[in-house]
Order: sequence, then C-alpha cells, then structure tokens
Amino acid sequence: GAVVSQHPSRVICKSGTSVKIECRSLDFQATTMFWYRQFPKKSLMLMATSNEGSKATYEQGVEKDKFLINHASLTLSTLTVTSAHPEDSSFYICSASEGNSPLHFGNGTRLTVT
Amino acid sequence: KNQVEQSPQSLIILEGKNCTLQCNYTVSPFSNLRWYKQDTGRGPVSLTIMTFSENTKSNGRYTATLDADTKQSSLHITASQLSDSASYICVVSGGGGADGLTFGKGTHLIIQP
Repeated sequence: GAVVSQHPSRVICKSGTSVKIECRSLDFQATTMFWYRQFPKKSLMLMATSNEGSKATYEQGVEKDKFLINHASLTLSTLTVTSAHPEDSSFYICSASEGNSPLHFGNGTRLTVT
Repeated sequence: KNQVEQSPQSLIILEGKNCTLQCNYTVSPFSNLRWYKQDTGRGPVSLTIMTFSENTKSNGRYTATLDADTKQSSLHITASQLSDSASYICVVSGGGGADGLTFGKGTHLIIQP
C-alpha cells in the first residue's frame, strides 16, 4: 500500500538554528503534499499545501518565511523551520494522497527547541 | 463555518469490551468522512472512508456508520484490545482535495487490561 516516509522522527535543536524535515512518498507520485502541526492533545492543524514545481500555499497565520517548504520532485517535500524558537516545539506531520485514495500520513517529527 | 465535533473527548474501557465513538459535523458541501487511528507519537492511519451514499463500512473490528441526513457518524470498536489504545480522529472532506479537510479533535481511547 501507499507509504509516506517522514524523517527525522525526532530532532532537538538549539534556539536560533534551522531544522529540515523531509517527507517522501515511497511508492507513488504525489503532486501535492500537506504539512500539519499538532500540539499535545490537540487536533492536526494544516500549515501549508506543498505543490510540486510551484510555491506552497500557506494557511492564514503561518509565516511563510519561517516555515520554508520546497517540493522539488513528485516524491519529496521538505519543511524547514528557520531560526527555531522554543514555541516552535511541536509535532509536525506530512501527508500525501494518490488520486482519490485516502490521505496517507507520515509518522511525524517531534521537534524540540531548547 | 465547517466544524467537526467528536465525543467523548476521552474514554477508558476494559479490554474485551465494545465502545462507540461519535462524530457530528457541519461541513458543507460534503464529499466523504474518514476515521483515522493515531497512536501516540505517530501519524494517523486510515481506518475507513465513506461517501454520501454509504452508511456503514467495516475494517476488521472497526465499524463506521454514517447518517448524512443528521450529519452524524460513529465508530464502533468490537472486542477491544490493548493495541486499540490511541486517538481516533474524524475527518470530513468538503471536496476540493485534501486541503478541504476539517479535522475533529479526536477521542482519546484507553484500553485497560
């Protein structure tokens, strides 16, 4: 079945540094991928829609200069958290779908900014 | 405003017992409704997806129902197992691709031995 791989699963970084998170569709091509953020015991919040070969579409309130998204190929999207601060600590999840199939989620990345 | 309300917020049951989780939505237009299981620290995994014309769908011990008239869905878990401990998320699609999804806050289910 369709699999979405996300890496790394956990990352700890110092305040002010940048962190890159990768999202790969392993056995299908995803022209669109989605990035979410989830705080403890809260629902997934869509941050942005990543479109292959074009600029990402950001949800209201999400800083595009802080959360850089690159969708360079049909199987890879990256989210870079720039100049990370402790309040950026969260669980980041990507998803992708193949056609009309159910949305497949990555296993998430736990980001801790110290 | 599109909303998905799930209840209960959390639930604790004994292993082997059955339980039912509820999802009420006010999403319009409606395309489909999905139930996901999310283990702690993991991404959600799809359990069922139902369109307007479907009123029940099963996946092993999981059975989802949909009443499109009353805009309600339920997820019934039969003979619960310890591995069923997770958050169960109801997601309603209004069409327009995955960015047209409205997520419920989930029901946190704990199965006790």
